[in-house]
Amino acid sequence: DTEVTQTPKHLVMGMTNKKSLKCEQHMGHRAMYWYKQKAKKPPELMFVYSYEKLSINESVPSRFSPECPNSSLLNLHLHALQPEDSALYLCASSQDPSLAGQETQYFGPGTRLLVL
Amino acid sequence: AQSVTQLDSQVPVFEEAPVELRCNYSSSVSVYLFWYVQYPNQGLQLLLKYLSGSTLVKGINGFEAEFNKSQTSFHLRKPSVHISDTAEYFCAVSDIYAGGTSYGKLTFGQGTILTVHP
Repeated sequence: DTEVTQTPKHLVMGMTNKKSLKCEQHMGHRAMYWYKQKAKKPPELMFVYSYEKLSINESVPSRFSPECPNSSLLNLHLHALQPEDSALYLCASSQDPSLAGQETQYFGPGTRLLVL
Repeated sequence: AQSVTQLDSQVPVFEEAPVELRCNYSSSVSVYLFWYVQYPNQGLQLLLKYLSGSTLVKGINGFEAEFNKSQTSFHLRKPSVHISDTAEYFCAVSDIYAGGTSYGKLTFGQGTILTVHP
């Protein structure tokens, strides 16, 4: 099973709302990633978790708050977002954080977020 | 800091024709190189990667790529494309730091949309 699942598929939220994106994998991978992909642009790394600990934060605004409650689950909590945060949010995982740079990253289908 | 340039934003081609998608990179350190494909409304899927060794890398779905260190290029090729190859293709790099450490940060090119016409 090489599947990464993401819920919800679509999300519409207002600028004062609080919502969460969920990502799950059951491949035993210990590195997990959040990417943001704007329309017609490449994915941009937001966060990396290694062994459930945050290892890379690409200077992401604090209105995005990641959480890794266990080795299979990755959340992205959203609060007070701006319309420019509308994008496809992709989750990915790879097996061994010590080999992260050379490993295949397995991507989920993404959550398409619209902020009104 | 590294950067990746995909020289063609769109490549139209007829079915069964060969195709080459071009990728150049720049980095102050050694890199690992990847090609990912993104079908409409889906996540990304790895086509192939270069880590070391033979500069010609074969991937899934009949794709291959050649690493050229002197030209800092990693072009993707397929000898005969199918309609189902219509997708967006991303070249990506991850830096290799001292001691061989690489943190898993992928930097992607802008993408090339391959459209295969019947």
